[in-house]
Formats: sequence, C-alpha cells, structure tokens
Amino acid sequence: EPEVTQTPSHQVTQMGQEVILRCVPISNHLYFYWYRQILGQKVEFLVSFYNNEISEKSEIFDDQFSVERPDGSNFTLKIRSTKLEDSAMYFCAIVVWDIRSGNTIYFGEGSWLTVV
Amino acid sequence: AQTVTQSQPEMSVQEAETVTLSCTYDTSESDYYLFWYKQPPSRQMILVIRQEAYKQQNATENRFSVNFQKAAKSFSLKISDSQLGDAAMYFCAYRSAAYSGAGSYQLTFGKGTKLSVIP
Repeated sequence: EPEVTQTPSHQVTQMGQEVILRCVPISNHLYFYWYRQILGQKVEFLVSFYNNEISEKSEIFDDQFSVERPDGSNFTLKIRSTKLEDSAMYFCAIVVWDIRSGNTIYFGEGSWLTVV
Repeated sequence: AQTVTQSQPEMSVQEAETVTLSCTYDTSESDYYLFWYKQPPSRQMILVIRQEAYKQQNATENRFSVNFQKAAKSFSLKISDSQLGDAAMYFCAYRSAAYSGAGSYQLTFGKGTKLSVIP
C-alpha cells in the first residue's frame, strides 16, 4: 500500500484551542480526503480536496474546519476552536491508480485527537 | 443517498476456521464499487478487498473472498483459515462509479463488525 503519513499520531488539546492535523503522501497526488471516526462509531466523510480547492464537503465540515495544501506537499486539516465532540480519529486518504485495481482509496494511519 | 448496513456488531471464529461477515447496501445506481476495510487495534484503515459492480466474478485476495449478489444488494466477506492477526473491526464501504471530480471517491461506510479470533 502507498504510504500516507499523518502527524501527530495523537494530540490532546484543551477545548477552544486550534488544532492542525497534517497529511504527507509519499508521492504526488491530486485528490485528498479527510474522514473522521468518533470512538466506537463508523468512519464519516468530512471533505474532499482537488487541485487546491475543496471539491465536496459533508454537513460535519462546518465553519470551524478548514483544509489547505500550503506548500504543495503537506495537506492540513485545521479545527479553529475545538469542542469536546471533535474528539475522534481523523484519517487522511488519497486516491491511487494501478493497472490491476483502477482507482483505490488508501488511508493514512490516522491522528487521534482528544479534546479535554 | 447510499446507505451501508452491517447487521452483525460482533462475530467470533475459531482459529483456522472460516467466517463470513455480512454487508448490505442501498443504492439506485447501477455502477459502483464495494470495499472491505480492516481496522486492527492500531486503528489504521487497511484495504482488504474491492469489488466492481459490473464484474460478475467475485473478488478474491488470498484467504479473503467476497460473495457479491448485485440483485440482492449484498456483499459478504469470507475469511478462510482464520488467523489471530485477522482479529479487527471490519468495515464495508460503498463508492459510486459516477465521476464528479474529487467527490467521486467519497466512501460511505457501514458501522463495522468486530471480529474476534479464538485460539
């Protein structure tokens, strides 16, 4: 599987603080995604990002969330003012094409955010 | 909107035995993709197997195979010769095949099935 590195692996933050989660794919990609998984629940789509623009976003992705690719490599998810309910695992995902499987989505190892 | 249902919150299997995890989905589309992802305790999401809806042949990957019933909208995962390392949460996921830019690759997940492997 292609490598998608996420940092930090775990972050504890106080409610109201800003958090930035980072995603670094091992090679150049155009499509990026953020998903969220609250403990014990299913994985939920947050946002898709293509060519430096948001392509699609879910209802979860409200004004306190933002995404960008500031240096053409890192892909970041920012939560401006964290709430307790933002505690979750956040996954970055990329799309990879190969001749056998076509386009397939691969996930990073996740960033576990705890808001206290 | 598409929905994915996994009706078995938990399953268990004896080591070396075979287990089948169920998944049903609801869609009005005719072309789409289905996936099984494995999430071990490390919580990483690992792709196990994928199936294209236009293919009648069931996908297989080593000890993992699927039973894809398009008319019934059913997509079960069979794990043969279960190993201790197979213990994990398993998520079924759906993706539309219609291209609409980056949003095309958005996945809809089921709630997952927790698989325990008994030594």
